[in-house]
Amino acid sequence: AQSVTQLGSHVSVSEGALVLLRCNYSSSVPPYLFWYVQYPNQGLQLLLKYTTGATLVKGINGFEAEFKKSETSFHLTKPSAHMSDAAEYFCAVSDANAGKSTFGDGTTLTVKP
Amino acid sequence: GAVVSQHPSWVICKSGTSVKIECRSLDFQATTMFWYRQFPKQSLMLMATSNEGSKATYEQGVEKDKFLINHASLTLSTLTVTSAHPEDSSFYICSAGELYGYTFGSGTRLTVV
Repeated sequence: AQSVTQLGSHVSVSEGALVLLRCNYSSSVPPYLFWYVQYPNQGLQLLLKYTTGATLVKGINGFEAEFKKSETSFHLTKPSAHMSDAAEYFCAVSDANAGKSTFGDGTTLTVKP
Repeated sequence: GAVVSQHPSWVICKSGTSVKIECRSLDFQATTMFWYRQFPKQSLMLMATSNEGSKATYEQGVEKDKFLINHASLTLSTLTVTSAHPEDSSFYICSAGELYGYTFGSGTRLTVV
């Protein structure tokens, strides 16, 4: 069985500040990890994913995440927050089929002017 | 990139009626699609795996007779909520793709009155 824990259901940062959204996972097999963003009443957009290889993954809109096996973590970061980054963010894990993923509870990111 | 279209974006129906939601892969063939459900302020929960030309696989606790899934072609899966009740009101999202390249539809907001 797999599970995802997103630490902090709400994160608030000032515009231009560092964004750090935390995600820890549990998996009995090598995990495939994903971060998605969701805007109100919309579907999910893939920000980035880790499957194999380089543990530092760069995604869209300036986001990146680092897979740390020893810490079972896959935290999402962005050096400088923009107002348009305000949204809901989901971390997800799967074993082999990304379509069948287990999602975290989500983190709402608020960006203050 | 892969495009998944979901229709309708929102629907309001009366209690006791049935509602059909379509999920289409526009520029690729999808032998497998997934249906998720998302309650307000909550995460996504996998409902079922839709398999082209065969029966869907439902997750534990999901009523097969209530949520009918049909995957009659390589580009279309439909989810029919039968005899809808207010507690079925939710955001339904499909995903399609392959391996680690899954794309989510824009979602369907169902409100049962």
